[in-house]
Amino acid sequence: GENVEQHPSTLSVQEGDSAVIKCTYSDSASNYFPWYKQELGKGPQLIIDIRSNVGEKKDQRIAVTLNKTAKHFSLHITETQPEDSAVYFCAGSGGGGSYIPTFGRGTSLIVHP
Amino acid sequence: DTAVSQTPKYLVTQMGNDKSIKCEQNLGHDTMYWYKQDSKKFLKIMFSYNNKELIINETVPNRFSPKSPDKAHLNLHINSLELGDSAVYFCASSPTPTNEKLFFGSGTQLSVL
Repeated sequence: GENVEQHPSTLSVQEGDSAVIKCTYSDSASNYFPWYKQELGKGPQLIIDIRSNVGEKKDQRIAVTLNKTAKHFSLHITETQPEDSAVYFCAGSGGGGSYIPTFGRGTSLIVHP
Repeated sequence: DTAVSQTPKYLVTQMGNDKSIKCEQNLGHDTMYWYKQDSKKFLKIMFSYNNKELIINETVPNRFSPKSPDKAHLNLHINSLELGDSAVYFCASSPTPTNEKLFFGSGTQLSVL
């Protein structure tokens, strides 16, 4: 099955800085890579996703890049704000006909005002 | 107008008891899931139901029994609770089994004493 590794586990930045979270996956057949944001006391919420036929996708201050050859993908957040503080999860799915995402272990992002 | 709602939000109980968590979605989705999030934030799929039928059971002990009376509801009953069952349980839904975009509820924090 799929295995998704995510790092760093904790990321601390100053407001206005950029933040980058990286993930690698094991199954070369995986073709869908979402990112979820989990705020304290809430459930994960999908914030951006990318499919394997696309190398990069942007949505305002967030962007995701995918390198299929190296089997890694990254979340980039620019001009971070305190409300970006949360746990971020990457995931991968589609390999072996499975549509259930396998999640990384999460990155706790702390944005200091 | 909550999309995926689960109750209760907190559940504190003694070892050996039986408890239930309820989940309802008003998104018109066909597929519902239960996820378990441990103390280290790792998200693991437990069950998946499509239109009231079980499609995935990820080697969960048979003390856990999901029930789906209709496609908008997926409840989780847990018998003979153990200390290791303490976790946050998330209900989620997706439009179809092949649509990987998950919509999560806000979670039920279960504490077994």
